[in-house]
Amino acid sequence: AQSVTQPDIHITVSEGASLELRCNYSYGATPYLFWYVQSPGQGLQLLLKYFSGDTLVQGIKGFEAEFKRSQSSFNLRKPSVHWSDAAEYFCAVGVKEYGNKLVFGAGTILRVKS
Amino acid sequence: EPEVTQTPSHQVTQMGQEVILRCVPISNHLYFYWYRQILGQKVEFLVSFYNNEISEKSEIFDDQFSVERPDGSNFTLKIRSTKLEDSAMYFCASSEVENTEAFFGQGTRLTVV
Repeated sequence: AQSVTQPDIHITVSEGASLELRCNYSYGATPYLFWYVQSPGQGLQLLLKYFSGDTLVQGIKGFEAEFKRSQSSFNLRKPSVHWSDAAEYFCAVGVKEYGNKLVFGAGTILRVKS
Repeated sequence: EPEVTQTPSHQVTQMGQEVILRCVPISNHLYFYWYRQILGQKVEFLVSFYNNEISEKSEIFDDQFSVERPDGSNFTLKIRSTKLEDSAMYFCASSEVENTEAFFGQGTRLTVV
């Protein structure tokens, strides 16, 4: 069965520090990969996506993610975190062979301390 | 910037009542979706809709659920007889074409009492 794992439920970083949020997926086929962010009371905002090509993708708000097929991972990174980045981050995968649906990870709550 | 809009933002209903959650997808999008997130749990796929019919549905999407595109702009999710376990945040999403990024609305928080 398809699955997405975000091993860190909570992460706390200091403002200005670097950030890496982990995401691993389990699929037989090549997935499409996404990161979404949800601020309190808000919907899911797309940060970035990977479909094919360059395995390092740039997104909004200074985020980037790297697809590593050998590790089945798509980790999200940011070199310098801002207090406004505090939110919940969701990794999601879609597989063409399984239709249009996205399968989400459980999410990682990011706290930023000043 | 175009966005997916959902109404209402919060709905409280009594168990056994019917509810309709409404969504206006992005205007040039062709694929529409409903997802839900029970408090503390993952976001789960419910159903996808294309060309006026369901293209895929999950095990959650049983006979109590239905979707409709009643006109050229709205996309609705109906729950016929709500149960306590239907309490969740319901997200509508749309995508321009198949297997591209989906854009999500702000969600409707449904509370069944």
